[in-house]
Amino acid sequence: QSALTQPPSASGSPGQSVTISCTGTSSDVGGYNYVSWYQQHPGKAPKVMIYEVIKRPSGVPDRFSGSKSGNTASLTVSGLQAEDEADYYCSSYGGNNNLVFGGGTKLTVL
Amino acid sequence: EVQLVQSGAEVKKPGESLKISCKGSGYSFPTYWIAWVRQMPGKGLEWMGLISPGDSDTRYSPSVQGQVTISADKSINTAYLQWGSLKASDTAMYYCARLLRYCSGGTCYLKQIDYWGQGTLVTVSS
Repeated sequence: QSALTQPPSASGSPGQSVTISCTGTSSDVGGYNYVSWYQQHPGKAPKVMIYEVIKRPSGVPDRFSGSKSGNTASLTVSGLQAEDEADYYCSSYGGNNNLVFGGGTKLTVL
Repeated sequence: EVQLVQSGAEVKKPGESLKISCKGSGYSFPTYWIAWVRQMPGKGLEWMGLISPGDSDTRYSPSVQGQVTISADKSINTAYLQWGSLKASDTAMYYCARLLRYCSGGTCYLKQIDYWGQGTLVTVSS
């Protein structure tokens, strides 16, 4: 199972919006609505920000939103804040009891 | 409050064995699958496998099949990840996580991870 493809880096100024993509195949991202996004600050455990493509757990700011088109899922962070600077990982169900992660995107708030 | 508390950091030599643990609390431990996720230094997340603590049904990622063993003891709400013979390349942070699995019409899907442990750093060096 190949990892999902994410850009290694993304950046934006405070208050701006940034979108991170996550590209897979019809066997994972495109085949199921089980895409999640995780935020990881340095030295910390990941935290789920989006699940089932578009859903937000309680406590996650509505500045974070998810979407999917075909084999590509996206995470959009609106109104960037300094604390959003972190690594972001996507994951998807990959069939046959497999989970697949993206390679991660380092988000920098300029 | 759902919590997954992992055992402490380990420093081992190549060839040694190791078993790390993940204790769940604040929910019905046997009911939810537990996933193990590896993060090598400076690298991304990699799914290793999962276990249903209720019946010990276990699945492994093809990349680690045969290299590690995942187990659980539902009587003490604890899942385990173990190695029989460590290699330097096993140096990584290992996370356990609660995994939501959904079954319908005879087909099951891994929906999402909703809670993570704090991680266990394993260092293998001679």
